[in-house]
Amino acid sequence: AQKITQTQPGMFVQEKEAVTLDCTYDTSDPSYGLFWYKQPSSGEMIFLIYQGSYDQQNATEGRYSLNFQKARKSANLVISASQLGDSAMYFCAMRDGSSNTGKLIFGQGTTLQVKP
Amino acid sequence: NAGVTQTPKFRILKIGQSMTLQCTQDMNHNYMYWYRQDPGMGLKLIYYSVGAGITDKGEVPNGYNVSRSTTEDFPLRLELAAPSQTSVYFCASRLGQNYNEQFFGPGTRLTVL
Repeated sequence: AQKITQTQPGMFVQEKEAVTLDCTYDTSDPSYGLFWYKQPSSGEMIFLIYQGSYDQQNATEGRYSLNFQKARKSANLVISASQLGDSAMYFCAMRDGSSNTGKLIFGQGTTLQVKP
Repeated sequence: NAGVTQTPKFRILKIGQSMTLQCTQDMNHNYMYWYRQDPGMGLKLIYYSVGAGITDKGEVPNGYNVSRSTTEDFPLRLELAAPSQTSVYFCASRLGQNYNEQFFGPGTRLTVL
């Protein structure tokens, strides 16, 4: 069965420092996609970054990068130069690529607090 | 474009009552999804649709029904509300098979007492 695991319930980081949020996944499908979403206290889900299982390079989007280690089945999110506005819940999610339905499986999330 | 809109934003139901959560998208997306998020947890898929007239169950479909008569609308029906259905409900849409990002609505916070 497919599964996403986020082992860090909460993280603290000093403003302007980098932080890594961990995500491991389990799937037997060769084709899949990995996502990170941000959920601020206002509750909306904000798409941050995507990595396909066949992508050769790690995905980057501005201050966000995804450290994709396929053999270890990990897809950690790295946020560089943290800002106070980065304080939020972060979810890792996986899409089953083989079924083409786009269904997402989410981890339990990591709460990030950025200290001034 | 308004994107994905959901109504209502908040609702309190009594046990046994019924209601429909509305979801509309104006992006001409083929794929639509309903998720629920329990407190402190990740989202779980309730139902999804890959096009008008086509729906299928997700991970936690019990107690819910959906329909997809148009591309734009994907309502979620709760027939006999139970306290276990207290949650935040998110609707999402995706353009098609070759597109990755799911666009989420703002959510509906439902409490069943």
